Amino acid sequence: DVKVTQSSRYLVKRTGEKVFLECVQDMDHENMFWYRQDPGLGLRLIYFSYDVKMKEKGDIPEGYSVSREKKERFSLILESASTNQTSMYLCASRMGQGLGEQYFGPGTRLTVT
Amino acid sequence: KQEVTQIPAALSVPEGENLVLNCSFTDSAIYNLQWFRQDPGKGLTSLLLIQSSQREQTSGRLNASLDKSSGRSTLYIAASQPGDSATYLCAVRSYGGATNKLIFGTGTLLAVQP
Repeated sequence: DVKVTQSSRYLVKRTGEKVFLECVQDMDHENMFWYRQDPGLGLRLIYFSYDVKMKEKGDIPEGYSVSREKKERFSLILESASTNQTSMYLCASRMGQGLGEQYFGPGTRLTVT
Repeated sequence: KQEVTQIPAALSVPEGENLVLNCSFTDSAIYNLQWFRQDPGKGLTSLLLIQSSQREQTSGRLNASLDKSSGRSTLYIAASQPGDSATYLCAVRSYGGATNKLIFGTGTLLAVQP
């Protein structure tokens, strides 16, 4: 079974803090994704990566950056957290080239106060 | 631009009933369509993936169909149980543009009453 894990289920941070959200997958997938999910807005893609050190902006990259130094790990960074970044953050992975399933992690509920 | 719609937004049924969830998309040039389940406060669980060349996929009590030409997919749940209560999301992967992206519908919230 594919496993996508996220470093925290719940996180509370203060405005202006630098925040790291970590995601790890164990199936050697090339593609990894970060989404945020908000009521009424659905899932929105922040960034994705199709290989180590490769990244592309999604629909809402402002205020976020990412890092992928190893194939299994994809980090989302909030350089200076703001209250409007309070959300559920979901990581996902999928095999590259093929048309396989996309697998999601359990999510991190981030609250910025 | 691909848009994915799910109707109804919410559905309540008594236990044991068979039910159908609907998903429609505006651009038929898709690679595949995936159905997910999401429990409150949790991540998404993949239920079924249908490639564009397929008409349907089955897993246990779930059956998903795809009609690409009309831009529609349905998720059929047989003999519903209270444990099926969740939000169901469909998502399509389209040709062209950023083919890595899944475009999600806004979901159907299903409640199965015991």
